[in-house]
Amino acid sequence: KAGVTQTPRYLIKTRGQQVTLSCSPISGHRSVSWYQQTPGQGLQFLFEYFSETQRNKGNFPGRFSGRQFSNSRSEMNVSTLELGDSALYLCASSLVSGQWYEQFFGPGTRLTVL
Amino acid sequence: AQSVTQLGSHVSVSEGALVLLRCNYSSSVPPYLFWYVQYPNQGLQLLLKYTTGATLVKGINGFEAEFKKSETSFHLTKPSAHMSDAAEYFCAVSGGQGAQKLVFGQGTRLTINP
Repeated sequence: KAGVTQTPRYLIKTRGQQVTLSCSPISGHRSVSWYQQTPGQGLQFLFEYFSETQRNKGNFPGRFSGRQFSNSRSEMNVSTLELGDSALYLCASSLVSGQWYEQFFGPGTRLTVL
Repeated sequence: AQSVTQLGSHVSVSEGALVLLRCNYSSSVPPYLFWYVQYPNQGLQLLLKYTTGATLVKGINGFEAEFKKSETSFHLTKPSAHMSDAAEYFCAVSGGQGAQKLVFGQGTRLTINP
C-alpha cells in the first residue's frame, strides 16, 4: 500500500507570493491533517479535513487555508508569504477524523521564502 | 487542553548504552500518548503509542515507553543504543478518541557516539 505523498518536496518562493502544496493520503483514508514544522515553534497543527470539510483548525492566520477533494486529496494554500512561513509542511492521513493514534505522515514539503 | 514538555533538546549517548528520552504531559482528559521519530529530510514515523490498557508499551526498533499517570510522564527507553537510532524524537499527546488535534513536544535530538 502506497504511503502518504506530498508534492512538491521542495519549493522556493519570495515574500508576497502565494503557494499551494498538495497531499495524497493513503488509499482509503479520508482524514488529512496539516502541520507546520519550524526550528523555533516546533510542530504545530494547522488544520484537519475530513469528507471535504474542515473539522479542526489550529492557531494560524487566515493566510493559511486548505481544501479537500472528493478523492480525499488535500491542498494547502498560503497567501502573501512572509519570511516566517519558511518551514517543513507535513501532511498526515488517517481513516477517520480524530483518529490520531492511527495517523501516517508524509515526507513533507520544504518551503523556503526569500 | 493538552501540552507536552520534552526534557533536553539534545541527548548524547554511546553506542550500546541505555537511551532515555523524557516526556511529561498535561491533559485535562485521559490522554493518548505517542512517540515519533524523524530522520533527516523525512516525515514522522510512529514508534509507539499508548491509548488504554497496559501502561508499558513496546514499539518498533526495540523502543518502549511507560505511561505513569501519577508522574504525568511517558519516557522513552531503549536498552542498547545503535548508530541508526540517531534522529529527532517527538513526544505527542491527544485528548483521546475524537480529540481535536495532536500536540507535539519540542523534540529531542539523539546523537549516538561510537
